Amino acid sequence: AQSVTQLDSHVSVSEGTPVLLRCNYSSSYSPSLFWYVQHPNKGLQLLLKYTSAATLVKGINGFEAEFKKSETSFHLTKPSAHMSDAAEYFCVVTYTGGFKTIFGAGTRLFVKA
Amino acid sequence: DAGVTQSPTHLIKTRGQQVTLRCSPISGHKSVSWYQQVLGQGPQFIFQYYEKEERGRGNFPDRFSARQFPNYSSELNVNALLLGDSALYLCASSLSEYGELFFGEGSRLTVL
Repeated sequence: AQSVTQLDSHVSVSEGTPVLLRCNYSSSYSPSLFWYVQHPNKGLQLLLKYTSAATLVKGINGFEAEFKKSETSFHLTKPSAHMSDAAEYFCVVTYTGGFKTIFGAGTRLFVKA
Repeated sequence: DAGVTQSPTHLIKTRGQQVTLRCSPISGHKSVSWYQQVLGQGPQFIFQYYEKEERGRGNFPDRFSARQFPNYSSELNVNALLLGDSALYLCASSLSEYGELFFGEGSRLTVL
């Protein structure tokens, strides 16, 4: 079955330290991969997307993600966390064969001053 | 330009009733998809429509149905409401079938 696994339900970092949010997906031919962020009481916003171009994808607000096909991973990183990064992050995969969009369960990022 | 708009924003229903939620995509977007987000969980895919045809369906019972109109707006219908249907229902539009999703603010349904 197709699935998306976000390996951490909560991640806590100090302001100015690196962020790593982990995501694994079940293998599929040419998936499209996305990271979305959801701030409290706000809608979902796209951070970045991978669509079979460069394996290192740059997004908004300093976020990056690396697509590793051999590991079926698409981890999200940021070199230096900011207080405003505190939010819920979702890894999303669209499977083109038999169209379906699957969200991971989400990772809540806490940023400490 | 207007983003994805959903209506109503909040509604309260009782068990057994029926509800219709509406979504207007961004102008030019031909794909609309629907998601259910229960409190504390990630969104679950319900339906995707592209060019007025159903292109994908998630694991939801037949009580859930949807359609897309010639102007690409969409409705999600839920019949015989259960308490467990209480959730935030999100609509997203995209230019293509597999493109970036632009989300509306959602319709929060409470079933009593």
